[in-house]
Formats: sequence, C-alpha cells, structure tokens
Amino acid sequence: SQQGEEDPQALSIQEGENATMNCSYKTSINNLQWYRQNSGRGLVHLILIRSNEREKHSGRLRVTLDTSKKSSSLLITASRAADTASYFCATDAGNNRLAFGKGNQVVVIP
Amino acid sequence: NAGVTQTPKFQVLKTGQSMTLQCAQDMNHEYMSWYRQDPGMGLRLIHYSVGAGITDQGEVPNGYNVSRSTTEDFPLRLLSAAPSQTSVYFCASSNPISSGTTYEQYFGPGTRLTVT
Repeated sequence: SQQGEEDPQALSIQEGENATMNCSYKTSINNLQWYRQNSGRGLVHLILIRSNEREKHSGRLRVTLDTSKKSSSLLITASRAADTASYFCATDAGNNRLAFGKGNQVVVIP
Repeated sequence: NAGVTQTPKFQVLKTGQSMTLQCAQDMNHEYMSWYRQDPGMGLRLIHYSVGAGITDQGEVPNGYNVSRSTTEDFPLRLLSAAPSQTSVYFCASSNPISSGTTYEQYFGPGTRLTVT
C-alpha cells in the first residue's frame, strides 16, 4: 500500500520564491527519500534522510523529518523555472520496498 | 555508464497480446524493481529483485511476470495484456548497503504502454 502522501498536491509560485511541500506516512521507516520528475522523464533522486536524522541540506534543498509526527517537508529555496516538476516522497520500511506518494506538482513562473 | 536503460519507449498492444519490457543496468546494482505510474496514483511497485535468481512481488503484481537471470537484466512480461495495464512503466536499480533497506534508486526513462 502507498505510504507517502504529499501535501499540497499542486503549487504555483513565482521565480525566486521558496516552495515547501509536506509528506506524511503511516508506519515506522528506515529512511525517507525525495525524488523529482520532469515531464515525460524518469524520476531523479534528490535527497535521502535517515530515521535518526532531523534535517538535511543539499544545495537549495532542505529536508526535515519528524518521526514523532510521521512527516517530512521539502523546501526549495530561491526557486527557478527549471524547478518546475513533480516531486515525490518515498519511504523505506525495511522490507526491500520503497513506497511512493502520489506526487506534488510545482510550477515556477518566470 | 548508460545507467538504467529501458526498451521500447512506446508500445501499443491489443487486448490479449503478450510482450516483454526490457530493462538493463550497467552499474552492477543488486536491487532492481519495476513500477507503474498512473495519473493521480503515484508509483506502484510491481515486482522487485534483490539479486540474480531472486524475485518477489510488490504491491500490484497480478498480470506480470519477472525473472532475474543476470545482475544486469530484469525483464517484465505482460502475459495477456488488458486495458487496465495501460500505464507508464519504470525500471529502477540501486545498491543496497544493508539487507532490507532500500536506498537511492536510479530510474530508467520509462516505457509508455497503451492497451486497446
């Protein structure tokens, strides 16, 4: 069954603004991952945060993880038109499976 | 490295036909998986493999078969295509560091399948 659920489902922002999206999950996890998918392409891994980590940064990306609330957030700072994509969270529960959420469409307006 | 490659890119089948979607990776990854992506549904796991000779079912395995005879290849077979199998199919691979834990997945470009 699907574990990750992203919120909001769609986001439209101006270039230069920050974009924040959230992901909730139901069971305990080993790690949580965020992926980006440009239209018509495969998914690209962005960042992985382990269950014992609370925050992680990679360039303009900041991910937080709150295991007590079973939620994560992805922040993209100073967005660019090239950040227009769908963003997915995925959770690993230690059973050799990665469970993906339904995705979050972000449109950055130049 | 070519990474993860998938063929064909597009395919149209008639109901009842069978076909094999090909997936290959050149990164010596132990873990490989197949997902289908439908509008509003995210990605759903069909089958996965933790190494040559080992496969297991995912969330939506019905109507699909897989085999893993080599580390590099992980073909997905549709036994008797149905309109409900119209979807975009993605193959992915990764190298597990510890048993049971799934790490960064490398995705192929996808196969867009239409069943009429």
